[in-house]
Amino acid sequence: DTGVSQDPRHKITKRGQNVTFRCDPISEHNRLYWYRQTLGQGPEFLTYFQNEAQLEKSRLLSDRFSAERPKGSFSTLEIQRTEQGDSAMYLCASSAHRGADTEAFFGQGTRLTVV
Amino acid sequence: RKEVEQDPGPFNVPEGATVAFNCTYSNSASQSFFWYRQDCRKEPKLLMSVYSSGNEDGRFTAQLNRASQYISLLIRDSKLSDSATYLCVVNMGPGRRALTFGSGTRLQVQP
Repeated sequence: DTGVSQDPRHKITKRGQNVTFRCDPISEHNRLYWYRQTLGQGPEFLTYFQNEAQLEKSRLLSDRFSAERPKGSFSTLEIQRTEQGDSAMYLCASSAHRGADTEAFFGQGTRLTVV
Repeated sequence: RKEVEQDPGPFNVPEGATVAFNCTYSNSASQSFFWYRQDCRKEPKLLMSVYSSGNEDGRFTAQLNRASQYISLLIRDSKLSDSATYLCVVNMGPGRRALTFGSGTRLQVQP
């Protein structure tokens, strides 16, 4: 499968615990995005990488959230001290660097439930 | 005001009907525009890009009105398989590389 891969698909955690999600983009794509989606809403942008550089972060991204893309390939998103409001689907997407008019391919997401 | 706004629906239409969705965006410097489709509990997938001159892909027609800052999607001869949420997506312009999504419009095509 050469699409965007996310792991795990589901995560249930207790409030206050830390969680980490992984995203493997399409191999030739140098752009990688993290989004969060809650029921009835569209995906909300969290952060964006071009290669290993984190170039853009949303104001939604509190200091409990951190993302890395150490070698410009896979990326991790960590949430520290999880809160119930963090429960959502976390989507990763990747795209090739071909200007503004380029398709983003999404992974199937990691569904986080904080109890 | 949201950066990308859509009517959430749902739009309930019979098979064979024509249905249109509109979307407005706030940033006049926005550079590119798309419609994505999202099935229940699945990831969003690109349906079509939207070009200034308007474009068509089979039963789907997309149009852009930069002066009024809105985008439309027209679906002709609706099929049951068209039932999904349609997301209006905008690249908001210089310095904003990530795509901004609307909340989506839900379409339910009924037999």
